[in-house]
Amino acid sequence: DTGVSQNPRHKITKRGQNVTFRCDPISEHNRLYWYRQTLGQGPEFLTYFQNEAQLEKSRLLSDRFSAERPKGSFSTLEIQRTEQGDSAMYLCASSFLFDRASGNTIYFGEGSWLTVV
Amino acid sequence: AQSVTQLGSHVSVSEGALVLLRCNYSSSVPPYLFWYVQYPNQGLQLLLKYTSAATLVKGINGFEAEFKKSETSFHLTKPSAHMSDAAEYFCAVSKDTGRRALTFGSGTRLQVQP
Repeated sequence: DTGVSQNPRHKITKRGQNVTFRCDPISEHNRLYWYRQTLGQGPEFLTYFQNEAQLEKSRLLSDRFSAERPKGSFSTLEIQRTEQGDSAMYLCASSFLFDRASGNTIYFGEGSWLTVV
Repeated sequence: AQSVTQLGSHVSVSEGALVLLRCNYSSSVPPYLFWYVQYPNQGLQLLLKYTSAATLVKGINGFEAEFKKSETSFHLTKPSAHMSDAAEYFCAVSKDTGRRALTFGSGTRLQVQP
């Protein structure tokens, strides 16, 4: 078990460009979450998937954001027409829905830092 | 709706001293509670979790937390701080239903003085 993997770890982009982040969850984890964390704040929920279905999106997720999990395994988070306010760390996390023994434990990746200049 | 409040955005202790990081929660249903630690430029690592079994929960690195329903608290403690404990600590709450996503507090930065 290699943990939740995120790529790239760091991305610097110019305002107006599109960026995409990838997340590979822990093997066989059927739930996958995206969070955003800005400096000095706790992570904020963006969206989550159960298998390939996107079940909920936060109001924080504007129309410029889109997330996919096409085969119920890895996920991508794309931000179109980036703005400086998008600068943050984007965290991916995964869990196994039916594992009550784990107590809903959600495991996080190392995060992907986005800087929009 | 669920929420957590972490009292004190910064806590400073001396090496070897007791660590106490405070967390109070609000939940309309029995909560699941978590403490995560975040080192600079890294993701979050689970320290411990409360899932309605024992009210005193032991975690990694010598940390423990006690669930007190009457006080709606889940404070994190460690008897003796190490320099390596310096990090940001987040308390989080989730439900056992629905999206089960975590709601985080704003974090407490722990400094350990030599």
